[in-house]
Amino acid sequence: DAGVIQSPRHEVTEMGQEVTLRCKPISGHNSLFWYRQTMMRGLELLIYFNNNVPIDDSGMPEDRFSAKMPNASFSTLKIQPSEPRDSAVYFCASSLVGGSGANVLTFGAGSRLTVL
Amino acid sequence: TQLLEQSPQFLSIQEGENLTVYCNSSSVFSSLQWYRQEPGEGPVLLVTVVTGGEVKKLKRLTFQFGDARKDSSLHITAAQPGDTGLYLCAFNSGGGADGLTFGKGTHLIIQP
Repeated sequence: DAGVIQSPRHEVTEMGQEVTLRCKPISGHNSLFWYRQTMMRGLELLIYFNNNVPIDDSGMPEDRFSAKMPNASFSTLKIQPSEPRDSAVYFCASSLVGGSGANVLTFGAGSRLTVL
Repeated sequence: TQLLEQSPQFLSIQEGENLTVYCNSSSVFSSLQWYRQEPGEGPVLLVTVVTGGEVKKLKRLTFQFGDARKDSSLHITAAQPGDTGLYLCAFNSGGGADGLTFGKGTHLIIQP
């Protein structure tokens, strides 16, 4: 398996532009998570899906952020309009949830977003 | 409020030295996970600890879960430059399907 695939790896855009980040989870995994990482705040959970259904989006900072998971093999995180404070590394992670075991996440390599 | 406090925040030591980093909380956890993140990559799971007092070893890395399941430590023996990275502890914030809540991590640099 190629692991969790994220694109783009790097994006530089200007304030006000729309940004779309993409994620392909590991085949067979039933949960998908979007995180944001900054030096100041560390890794923050933005939203997660279970069986393609959004379960908890309380971490989404504001209405400018939206996420979709149209099928089990694809998810997007969209920022519109983008602002300089959105600059961060955005990670997608997936897991296979079931049974009583701890939820173990497999992360993608991240998308580094810079908003000028 | 950080649910997980990791210390130290930064640590730089010479190759061959031993070190311990900590993950503390006032909450009780059913399990705790440790991840390592290298520059330009996502975090990768090292270990999951479940039982209070549990000790797990991964080559030169020793993980311990506190008896009260509120804290954990990671000890590295004879550190190598390849151990350099960000070490993160995390717990399940809710049920098994929920996302993980991470501490801010310890940035570790092992100098040759």
